[in-house]
Amino acid sequence: GEDVEQSLFLSVREGDSSVINCTYTDSSSTYLYWYKQEPGAGLQLLTYIFSNMDMKQDQRLTVLLNKKDKHLSLRIADTQTGDSAIYFCAESKYTDKLIFGTGTRLQVFP
Amino acid sequence: DVKVTQSSRYLVKRTGEKVFLECVQDMDHENMFWYRQDPGLGLRLIYFSYDVKMKEKGDIPEGYSVSREKKERFSLILESASTNQTSMYLCASSPQTQGTYGYTFGSGTRLTVV
Repeated sequence: GEDVEQSLFLSVREGDSSVINCTYTDSSSTYLYWYKQEPGAGLQLLTYIFSNMDMKQDQRLTVLLNKKDKHLSLRIADTQTGDSAIYFCAESKYTDKLIFGTGTRLQVFP
Repeated sequence: DVKVTQSSRYLVKRTGEKVFLECVQDMDHENMFWYRQDPGLGLRLIYFSYDVKMKEKGDIPEGYSVSREKKERFSLILESASTNQTSMYLCASSPQTQGTYGYTFGSGTRLTVV
């Protein structure tokens, strides 16, 4: 199957860490991506991880990949109000299409 | 700065009208995509194109058609708009193999059909 699943909502306090989770079903995926969508805007690529990696860190963002469990996570350290958005994970195989998750709405409160 | 430009941010159309949504990219990308986004449903692929004059149906093509006469432009056509096509429409483009680039998205067109 090609379903990519995410929880719909996450609420965190400003300054805390956020962890957004994603499960995918296709073990042949080569790249996995995280996108951010701010209100009223399109999707912006945040980061990606190649399937032969376990972890990737980019400033406040840490991506963890567990291929055995087909689980991808995005950790945002020191979450700020500007991080409030919808976050989508997506997977890519050796095809030209990405398969997107349903998106997780992150709300950051003071 | 590379861009995917959607011609309108907001559109209001009447039921039964023929509606054109335009998307232009300046990155010489081979692939272009049209999605619609609805709350709780994520992104649903309507149509995509791998090359000029080529098109493939996505998951929800009914009620839509597309046109790609030039590499940089991909148009989504609602043949006879209906209220259930009220949605946010997102265009995206990518190189032939996404690799580290993924997709580049436009800002979206919020269409309301009344």
